[in-house]
Amino acid sequence: QVQLVQSGAEVKKPGSSVKVSCKASGGTFSTYILSWVRQAPGQGLEWMGAIIPLLGTAKYAQKFQGRVTITADKSTSTAFMEVSSLRSEDTAMYYCARAPNGYNYVFDYWGQGTLVTVSS
Amino acid sequence: QSALTQPASVSGSPGQSITISCTGTSSDVGAYNYVSWYQQYPGKAPKLMIYDVTKRPSGVSNRFSGSKSGNTASLTISGLQAEDEADYYCISYTSDTTGVFGGGTKLTVL
Repeated sequence: QVQLVQSGAEVKKPGSSVKVSCKASGGTFSTYILSWVRQAPGQGLEWMGAIIPLLGTAKYAQKFQGRVTITADKSTSTAFMEVSSLRSEDTAMYYCARAPNGYNYVFDYWGQGTLVTVSS
Repeated sequence: QSALTQPASVSGSPGQSITISCTGTSSDVGAYNYVSWYQQYPGKAPKLMIYDVTKRPSGVSNRFSGSKSGNTASLTISGLQAEDEADYYCISYTSDTTGVFGGGTKLTVL
């Protein structure tokens, strides 16, 4: 039974950073692609970036390039997504989602979501 | 990459069929057969309904089907049921290997 379990809700000040984790179990962590998707309150889904843990290489949507960093720790089957220079518009639910390698953006398992609130 | 274009809302009566469109460009939807569709209930994580334009994951009702013509992909739900009322999102692979979602469509079952 594959599970993606994310870290808990965060409240951050504008200008600070947040790091969200996504721990995988029940599958072969390294061979999948882990993406991060966010959803602002009442808004749609937004693909932020992804990492292949086996390779350690990440790619990002242009909008998030330079402000978002995605990493993975194969030893603990955990992916991380850090957003820096937070602003109020970053208030959103952040999801990690798994895609089998070779299946582009076919997210078969999702984390439960982590709510990040940016407020002064 | 700009978001793919979906209608904000569609509606239908039980038993009817509806189609949700997802329009992109020749750099995403039109270039690759890598369009997926997701269903999302309020407060829940999305669920995969269709992938690679037309393929249905195990366990998804055969009332859901996908297609593509040119730069527009479509999700069709036949035999509409009350439980189909949800938000639906498409996502496509793009020429720079990133992904781009559509803006989402709210389906109302009348």
